[in-house]
Parts: sequence; structure tokens; C-alpha cells
Amino acid sequence: AQRVTQPEKLLSVFKGAPVELKCNYSYSGSPELFWYVQYSRQRLQLLLRHISRESIKGFTADLNKGETSFHLKKPFAQEEDSAMYYCALSKVTSGSARQLTFGSGTQLTVLP
Amino acid sequence: NAGVMQNPRHLVRRRGQEARLRCSPMKGHSHVYWYRQLPEEGLKFMVYLQKENIIDESGMPKERFSAEFPKEGPSILRIQQVVRGDSAAYFCASSPIDSLYGYTFGSGTRLTVV
Repeated sequence: AQRVTQPEKLLSVFKGAPVELKCNYSYSGSPELFWYVQYSRQRLQLLLRHISRESIKGFTADLNKGETSFHLKKPFAQEEDSAMYYCALSKVTSGSARQLTFGSGTQLTVLP
Repeated sequence: NAGVMQNPRHLVRRRGQEARLRCSPMKGHSHVYWYRQLPEEGLKFMVYLQKENIIDESGMPKERFSAEFPKEGPSILRIQQVVRGDSAAYFCASSPIDSLYGYTFGSGTRLTVV
């Protein structure tokens, strides 16, 4: 069965410092991985997906199949990055739809 | 495009009552998913529906929970005879046929059972 682990429930960094939010997964197939973000009082939003190899708001994430990790990184954290971050793994189920398995989330606080 | 709309935002029910949660997907999205988030936990998949069809309900509790997505109108998640353990945030998401780009989530319904 697939599983997503985010080992840190809380993470605090100072503004301008690098930040890394850890995500490890277990999945027997070829994974599709995502990072979602939830700002205070807002809905869950897609931040980035590994297949796009994109950088959103300065965040990047590289899929490391050897270490089964998909850590989220940003070289210089900003106060507006403070939010809850969820790593998610997608698997194809019947009907060609995706079912997401979420980690328990990491609350990032960027201190001034 | 108003996005995925869920209502109500907050719902309080007494034990034994029924809870009905509604979700209107984004325009053009034909897939609806329901997730539950218990306190201190991540979102857990419950059910995936297309219009008039339940495709995958592997995450639904066996009793008291049901979901539908009728031809007209929103998707409904129904919880009968609620218990305290049903208190959680319930999120709906929708996606287009090609859901490679991930879901769009609603703001959720926070159910409190008293």
C-alpha cells in the first residue's frame, strides 16, 4: 500500500534562511508526487507537481527514487511562505482517476 | 469560474442526527473526490464519483456514510446517525478528465458533532 510520511509536524526558520520540508513515500509503482499548500483560512492549493519540474514561488522539489523522497526546498524563505504544506502521492485507480494519498502535513512558520 | 464550492462551511449536529455536505465541482470538471481530515492528521481519501456513478469508495466507512453525484446538482456526502468520531473537516475536490494536473479543492466543511 502507498504511504506518504512527513516527519516534521512543525518547522520554523528565519526569513531569508533556506528551508527544506521533508517527504518520503512508499509505493510499488511509478509515483506521481505533488506538494499542496494551505495558507491560513484558505483552501488547499496545488503548489507543484514533480512531472512538471517547475519552480513555484521559489519552491522546487526533486523526486529521488533511490531515497523515495520528494523534499520541498526554497533557498530564501519569506514570511508569506508560512503555511501548512502537504506532500501527496497519486495512484491511478479504476476509471483512470487519481486517488491522492496525503502526508500528515508540516506547518511552516517563517520568523521575521 | 467560482472554483469548487462546498457548503455549509460549518455544520453542527447532535449525535444521532444526519449530516449532509454539498460540493459543486468546478465548471467542466466531471470527477469529484471526497476527503476527510481528522484532527492532527492528513487528508484521507473517502470516495471518488463521476456523474451518477460511484467509481471508487474504498475509503468510505462501511456503515452510515454514503455519497452521490446526481446528473443535476451538487455531489452530496451523507452521514447518518452521526457520532462524535465523525467530527472532522470534509474536503471535496474536482478534476477534469485528465487529472494529471492534480485536483482543485474546495474550502471544506467542518463538521462538529455535539
